[in-house]
Amino acid sequence: DTGVSQNPRHKITKRGQNVTFRCDPISEHNRLYWYRQTLGQGPEFLTYFQNEAQLEKSRLLSDRFSAERPKGSFSTLEIQRTEQGDSAMYLCASSWDRGRNTEAFFGQGTRLTVV
Amino acid sequence: KQEVTQIPAALSVPEGENLVLNCSFTDSAIYNLQWFRQDPGKGLTSLLLIQSSQREQTSGRLNASLDKSSGRSTLYIAASQPGDSATYLCAVNTGGFKTIFGAGTRLFVKA
Repeated sequence: DTGVSQNPRHKITKRGQNVTFRCDPISEHNRLYWYRQTLGQGPEFLTYFQNEAQLEKSRLLSDRFSAERPKGSFSTLEIQRTEQGDSAMYLCASSWDRGRNTEAFFGQGTRLTVV
Repeated sequence: KQEVTQIPAALSVPEGENLVLNCSFTDSAIYNLQWFRQDPGKGLTSLLLIQSSQREQTSGRLNASLDKSSGRSTLYIAASQPGDSATYLCAVNTGGFKTIFGAGTRLFVKA
């Protein structure tokens, strides 16, 4: 296992289309996170899974966004009816639950461009 | 509400110079603080993680310090090299699963 893997790396879509991204975390990690990063800003938290349970969702995650982690392994993030404002880098991270000692490891991200 | 600020926003230095990047946070109730490096269009690479009970961490030419009471952390880079050019992000862990990031410092090291 070489780290957190995200696919695709780049996605260009027309406004109004649906897109789905995939994240494969480090295999022994039970925590998985999604972040969104716009140009010139730091990543913003979107949602968090502990195993297959989605335990936290940011108010940034509108009803057009849905995330799943069906078997507690890989995760998908779907955006329905994309808007130009959805253009951003979507980052996935994973970590092992060690209480306070939680070092997050990030993937290379999926860059979404909505035209 | 936790807020993380990084100063300066951008920095250009000649090769070989020692430099300091600053990070401040508004709520001292953090679990840990992490410094990341991000190359253009890429994901984040973890550089150093400092637990709330620690004062500093070192890795090669990098040294990060943490002063929780004042809400500050610094990342010291010794003998900078052109390969160090990247954006450096500071992030605080406030509850085990939510990490709050600063906007980053864009570093350019001139050869």
